[in-house]
Amino acid sequence: EDQVTQSPEALRLQEGESSSLNCSYTVSGLRGLFWYRQDPGKGPEFLFTLYSAGEEKEKERLKATLTKKESFLHITAPKPEDSATYLCAVQADSNYQLIWGAGTKLIIKP
Amino acid sequence: EAQVTQNPRYLITVTGKKLTVTCSQNMNHEYMSWYRQDPGLGLRQIYYSMNVEVTDKGDVPEGYKVSRKEKRNFPLILESPSPNQTSLYFCASRPGGYEKLFFGSGTQLSVL
Repeated sequence: EDQVTQSPEALRLQEGESSSLNCSYTVSGLRGLFWYRQDPGKGPEFLFTLYSAGEEKEKERLKATLTKKESFLHITAPKPEDSATYLCAVQADSNYQLIWGAGTKLIIKP
Repeated sequence: EAQVTQNPRYLITVTGKKLTVTCSQNMNHEYMSWYRQDPGLGLRQIYYSMNVEVTDKGDVPEGYKVSRKEKRNFPLILESPSPNQTSLYFCASRPGGYEKLFFGSGTQLSVL
């Protein structure tokens, strides 16, 4: 069965304290892995798409990486405005529909 | 501005009273979808549409209806809402099958 598991459920960091969020997946033929950011009460906003193992993408303090079994979202020297829930989703070759993880709630304290 | 617009933003209703949540996109996207989001469960797909007059069930379609008569609009209909449909609902669209999704701002529904 195709599934996505994100860990940890919640992560509290001090401002400037770097860390990583994990997205583990099992899917029969990966078409793409997506990262989204969601602020409270708002719709998810697209961050990255990764297509193949070894691929990396960066945006400001965020860097996403992909292996054959998991993806990491690395946050370098985070700021309070990086506080949000980060969602991971995968799409299989054989299916247009996305399989979503439950998300990681990130809290950055000043 | 390219966007997905949902209305209303907040809705409180009573069991059994039919309601419609509207969704409109101005990006000429072929694909549109409805999700519900509940704490600890993540995003679950209700229905999706690959194009006009083409709709299909997602993971949790029971108690919901949709229609796609025009490319830009994809309303979600609850014919007889029940308290277990209390949730945060999102409409989303994308150009085709494999691109990123654009989400609306959400509709917080409470069914009493």
